[in-house]
Amino acid sequence: DVKVTQSSRYLVKRTGEKVFLECVQDMDHENMFWYRQDPGLGLRLIYFSYDVKMKEKGDIPEGYSVSREKKERFSLILESASTNQTSMYLCATGTSGYEQYFGPGTRLTVT
Amino acid sequence: GENVEQHPSTLSVQEGDSAVIKCTYSDSASNYFPWYKQELGKRPQLIIDIRSNVGEKKDQRIAVTLNKTAKHFSLHITETQPEDSAVYFCAATTGYSTLTFGKGTMLLVSP
Repeated sequence: DVKVTQSSRYLVKRTGEKVFLECVQDMDHENMFWYRQDPGLGLRLIYFSYDVKMKEKGDIPEGYSVSREKKERFSLILESASTNQTSMYLCATGTSGYEQYFGPGTRLTVT
Repeated sequence: GENVEQHPSTLSVQEGDSAVIKCTYSDSASNYFPWYKQELGKRPQLIIDIRSNVGEKKDQRIAVTLNKTAKHFSLHITETQPEDSAVYFCAATTGYSTLTFGKGTMLLVSP
């Protein structure tokens, strides 16, 4: 069974703070992804990584960065949080066969 | 890039009826089409997928059909039950093992 965990279920931060969201998987999957989910907009890809220290921009990378120092861990960084980054953030992992498995999500509120 | 359109955005059915959700995609190179179910407050879960060399796939009460010529695919749920109530997302591959998701369909099954 694939296990994908995220560091927090709920997070409240102030505007301008630096925010770290962490995702850990135990299935030795090569690929890891960060999405944000907003009502009526579906899941939108922020960044993804297909190997350690590799990263690629998704559809909405502005205001975000990522880090992947170990295969099992993929971090999403909000350099200076803003209110329009209030959202649900979902991490996913996957193999080259395209199936993706999601973590439980982090609901981030920026005030 | 890939664009995935999903319809309808909401769907209400009576228990025992069938439900159909439709998606279209734009990139003829896409070759993998998964469907995810997201119950309230939970993570998206892969429920069925289809690859471009297959026209139809069934798993108990759910089935997916793919028409590559028309670039559309559909999810069919028969004999719906209240526990089928959820948001359903379709997706299509976009290269690098990434997925582009539709905006989701909220399915409500009334007893």
